[in-house]
Amino acid sequence: EVQLVESGGGLVQPGGSLRLSCAASGFSFSDYRMSWVRQAPGKGLEWVANIRQDGSEKNYVDSAKGRFTISRDNAKNSLSLQMNSLRAEDTAVYYCARGDSWHAHWGQGTLVTVSS
Amino acid sequence: DIQMTQSPSTLSASVGDRVTITCRASQYINRWLAWYQQKPGTAPKLLISKASSLDSGVPSRFSGSGSGTEFTLTISSLEPDDFATYYCQQYGTYSYTFGQGTKLEIK
Repeated sequence: EVQLVESGGGLVQPGGSLRLSCAASGFSFSDYRMSWVRQAPGKGLEWVANIRQDGSEKNYVDSAKGRFTISRDNAKNSLSLQMNSLRAEDTAVYYCARGDSWHAHWGQGTLVTVSS
Repeated sequence: DIQMTQSPSTLSASVGDRVTITCRASQYINRWLAWYQQKPGTAPKLLISKASSLDSGVPSRFSGSGSGTEFTLTISSLEPDDFATYYCQQYGTYSYTFGQGTKLEIK
């Protein structure tokens, strides 16, 4: 069974940093591109970033470029999102999702709240 | 960026009704479109990819159609479990944008 488990969310002040992690199991992690998608409270879904299987290609939504870094560790079946210079508008549930186009498998999400 | 516009934003319907949700892309995306269902407090669930390909385990009352810039999701006969919010997503061009969602409510 495919499982994706996010962690690392929490309350952070504007301008601060946070690192999210996603532990993958039940499939060959290194065979799949991976993505992060977020959802602000009461709002719709927003694709944030994705990464190629070997980590050689990364793509970001414009609002994340220069602030967020997606990475992966295939030996540990782990996906990460380093978020710097956080803003109030980054407040959201962040989901880890398998694949880089459509997503058949999602984690349960981790809540990031940016507030003073 | 490609904008995805769903209509309607809210849809009130009854069990047994046939409903259709429309998703329009601001640019040509071929058939690179997915549909998701989301219930409160849970992650989205993939229903359809490539505009019309039903994901494994999704009931056959769900169907998708369209290509280019206009797409539809149809539920042929609503069941109680179908009342949720539905999103389309284009994956033809980065950023992979979602529609704003259609909330399907019980009439």
